[in-house]
Amino acid sequence: DTGVSQDPRHKITKRGQNVTFRCDPISEHNRLYWYRQTLGQGPEFLTYFQNEAQLEKSRLLSDRFSAERPKGSFSTLEIQRTEQGDSAMYLCASSLEGTSVNYEQYFGPGTRLTVT
Amino acid sequence: AQKVTQAQTEISVVEKEDVTLDCVYETRDTTYYLFWYKQPPSGELVFLIRRNSFDEQNEISGRYSWNFQKSTSSFNFTITASQVVDSAVYFCALSEEGFSGGYNKLIFGAGTRLAVHP
Repeated sequence: DTGVSQDPRHKITKRGQNVTFRCDPISEHNRLYWYRQTLGQGPEFLTYFQNEAQLEKSRLLSDRFSAERPKGSFSTLEIQRTEQGDSAMYLCASSLEGTSVNYEQYFGPGTRLTVT
Repeated sequence: AQKVTQAQTEISVVEKEDVTLDCVYETRDTTYYLFWYKQPPSGELVFLIRRNSFDEQNEISGRYSWNFQKSTSSFNFTITASQVVDSAVYFCALSEEGFSGGYNKLIFGAGTRLAVHP
């Protein structure tokens, strides 16, 4: 079991550029979550998928943010026209949810975004 | 609205001391879940424990123990005989029950940074 992986681990971009992050969940996990963590704070929920369906989006997810999970496996998070306030660690987590099975969320190592 | 408060921003102890990390939560749901995660310097969040709102039994796992009290909306975490490897940021989190009976997004507290010195 390889765990949750995220790519890239670090991204430096200039304000106004678009960036895309990728998350590969644990293979049999049907739920995938995106969180954002700024320095000195706990992670904040952004959005989550059950298979390919996006079930909830936080108000933090402005129109510049979009997330997809096209085949219910990996997911991408895109930020358009980045702003300095977007600088943060973007965390992905996955879990296995079912009618009688509930497992904890396993987190990936995160992608650290710096907008200059 | 759901909220998690970890009032202790930083705690510093000497190795072998016992330390308790406080967590107070707010929710209107009758069914909810509480969690503790550890974030070591490497950055990856590590799951420690999950507790549902109907199970108020305290739990012990090695040097770790958890005290869940619904009457005070608290879910405190104690490390006994702390070690340098326990140095990390610890997060308490809350989740409401989802439509499938599981749980959804996690609402995290701001975390408590624990430094254990030799």
